[in-house]
Amino acid sequence: AQSVAQPEDQVNVAEGNPLTVKCTYSVSGNPYLFWYVQYPNRGLQFLLKYITGDNLVKGSYGFEAEFNKSQTSFHLKKPSALVSDSALYFCAVRDPTDSWGKLQFGAGTQVVVTP
Amino acid sequence: DAMVIQNPRYQVTQFGKPVTLSCSQTLNHNVMYWYQQKSSQAPKLLFHYYDKDFNNEADTPDNFQSRRPNTSFCFLDIRSPGLGDAAMYLCATSRDGGTYEQYFGPGTRLTVT
Repeated sequence: AQSVAQPEDQVNVAEGNPLTVKCTYSVSGNPYLFWYVQYPNRGLQFLLKYITGDNLVKGSYGFEAEFNKSQTSFHLKKPSALVSDSALYFCAVRDPTDSWGKLQFGAGTQVVVTP
Repeated sequence: DAMVIQNPRYQVTQFGKPVTLSCSQTLNHNVMYWYQQKSSQAPKLLFHYYDKDFNNEADTPDNFQSRRPNTSFCFLDIRSPGLGDAAMYLCATSRDGGTYEQYFGPGTRLTVT
C-alpha cells in the first residue's frame, strides 16, 4: 500500500527567506509524486510532479522539488517566499500500476509567510 | 480557458433533504473524481470514473451516489444528508490514469442545517 507523510502541520517563514515543505513517501516500485497548493475556499492547484528523469523538478510560481529515492523524500522548495505563498500544501503519491490514477494525499502543511 | 466548473459554489440543505452537486469540464479528460474534504484535511476520494467505468471507494457511504451521463458532466447525489456530511466537495479530472496530473474545480461547500 502506498502512503505519504508530511511531518509538519505548519511552517512559518519570513518573506524573502527560503521555504521548504517536507514530504516522505512509501510505495512499492517507482512512485509518481505530486505537489498541490490550496488557497482558502478554493480547489487544489497543481504545482509540479515527478514521474521520471531529473531529480530536480521545477514547477509553477517559482517552486521546485527534489526527488530523493534513497531517503524516499520529495520536499518542496522555494528560494524566496512571498506573503502570497501562504496556503495549504499537499504532497501526493500515485502508484504507477494503478490504472485509475488515484492519488494518496498527505495530511497537508499550512505555510504562513509573514511580511 | 479549459477548466473544471462546479455548481453551486455554496449549497445549504436541510438534514435528510436530498442534494445534488454538479461538475463539468471543458478539458475532455477521460477520468473524473469526486473528493470530500473536511476542515483543511486531506481530500478523501469518494468515486471515480474512467469514461463510463465507475468505481467507488470501499468506505464511501451508501448515502452517496454519482452519475456521469457524458464525458463533460458528473454529478454527486447525497440522498439523505447528515450533519457529518457538511464538507467541501471537490471535483477533479485527469487525462488518464497514467502520468497526468489531476485538475481540480473550485469546490462546493455544503452546509447541512
